[in-house]
Amino acid sequence: EAGVVQSPRYKIIEKKQPVAFWCNPISGHNTLYWYRQNLGQGPELLIRYENEEAVDDSQLPKDRFSAERLKGVDSTLKIQPAELGDSAVYLCASTSGGGANVLTFGAGSRLTVL
Amino acid sequence: QKEVEQNSGPLSVPEGAIASLNCTYSDRGSQSFFWYRQYSGKSPELIMSIYSNGDKEDGRFTAQLNKASQYVSLLIRDSQPSDSATYLCAVKKSGGGADGLTFGKGTHLIIQP
Repeated sequence: EAGVVQSPRYKIIEKKQPVAFWCNPISGHNTLYWYRQNLGQGPELLIRYENEEAVDDSQLPKDRFSAERLKGVDSTLKIQPAELGDSAVYLCASTSGGGANVLTFGAGSRLTVL
Repeated sequence: QKEVEQNSGPLSVPEGAIASLNCTYSDRGSQSFFWYRQYSGKSPELIMSIYSNGDKEDGRFTAQLNKASQYVSLLIRDSQPSDSATYLCAVKKSGGGADGLTFGKGTHLIIQP
């Protein structure tokens, strides 16, 4: 079984530029999460999808961040424009749902904003 | 008070000894608790989950939960250099559904050969 696939693995951009990250969850996993992990910190939830519906985006900075999961499978997280403080690892995770809530993470996308 | 608190370490333990990692949480209604291991530059991977008070053992790992004290711990017996990593405590807050987990900052564990 393929795991959670993310791309790109690394991205370096100038501030004020746009950037997008892509995630393909484990097949059959209806729940998809985007987390952000700053250096030396634990992951912080940005947004959670149940199928194609964003059911928790309370921590997503909506002035510059957006996300979509149009067909309830792949998801894209976009930042426009990027700021220096956005430098972090963006982790995608998925789960089949239910109370057990065992998340499987992708390898992450490391963003550096110069 | 942070929702999930861990001592960031580093925690240094001799090879073969028991490593003890601790975590406290603030939401008394939390139901599910997880320990993830994260190697440097890698993504977190689940090593233990625990849902009821008491101990849960899996190989060299034992998770302990005390809901009255809002305390979760992870014991690693016969520590190996390959156990050197950051250990993240994660808590699913009260409420139904597949809610996101809240993570602590992680404890950096170093196993000294």
